[in-house]
Amino acid sequence: SAVISQKPSRDICQRGTSLTIQCQVDSQVTMMFWYRQQPGQSLTLIATANQGSEATYESGFVIDKFPISRPNLTFSTLTVSNMSPEDSSIYLCSVGAATDTQYFGPGTRLTVL
Amino acid sequence: QQPVQSPQAVILREGEDAVINCSSSKALYSVHWYRQKHGEAPVFLMILLKGGEQKGHEKISASFNEKKQQSSLYLTASQLSYSGTYFCGTHTTNDYKLSFGAGTTVTVRA
Repeated sequence: SAVISQKPSRDICQRGTSLTIQCQVDSQVTMMFWYRQQPGQSLTLIATANQGSEATYESGFVIDKFPISRPNLTFSTLTVSNMSPEDSSIYLCSVGAATDTQYFGPGTRLTVL
Repeated sequence: QQPVQSPQAVILREGEDAVINCSSSKALYSVHWYRQKHGEAPVFLMILLKGGEQKGHEKISASFNEKKQQSSLYLTASQLSYSGTYFCGTHTTNDYKLSFGAGTTVTVRA
C-alpha cells in the first residue's frame, strides 16, 4: 500500500492570502488526486494531477484559484489562492486507480479567518 | 454523478448488525468503501469490481449488484471500533474518477 504524507497538517490563514499544500508518496504513481472535504460533508474531487501535463479540474474548480503542480511521479502541490472563509476545509490528496485501492493522505486542515 | 447512500445515520449496540447501501444512476465499474473517523483521513475498507472480484478488509463484507448499480456494506457483530462515517465511492464504466456518496454515520454503543 502507498504511504502518503501531506504538509502542513493544519494551518490558520488570513483572508486574501495563499497556502500551498504538499503531497509526497513513497512510490511512483501515475495519477494523484486532490479532494476537498468541507465540515461535515463528503469528499469532492478538485482535480487530477498528471505528471508532465496540466491538471484536469472538475466543474466548479478553476486553475486560478487552485493551481496544481506535479513535477514528478511522487510529488504534487495544491495552492489555495486568495483565500476566503469559505475555503476552510480539509484538503486531501490521494493516489490509486479505478481497478485498485485509492489511498488518502492524512489531510490538511485549513481555517481561513 | 454522486451515488446515493442510505441510511444517513445508524445507531447500534455492540454485537448488532447493520447494512449500508449505495446506489448509482450510472453503470458502475467499481465500488469502493471507506471509513472515516472524526479528525482522520478516510481509510480503505473494500473494493468491489465489475465481474465479481473483491479486495479488502477481512472482517467486513460487501456485495455489488451490477445490474441494479447498487452495493451494500454489511457490518456484522459490530464493535465499538466500527463507529465512524462510511463513504462509498463509485467509478462508472466511462470514468477514472471516484465520486463519493454523502456518507453514513455509524455509532456503536456499549
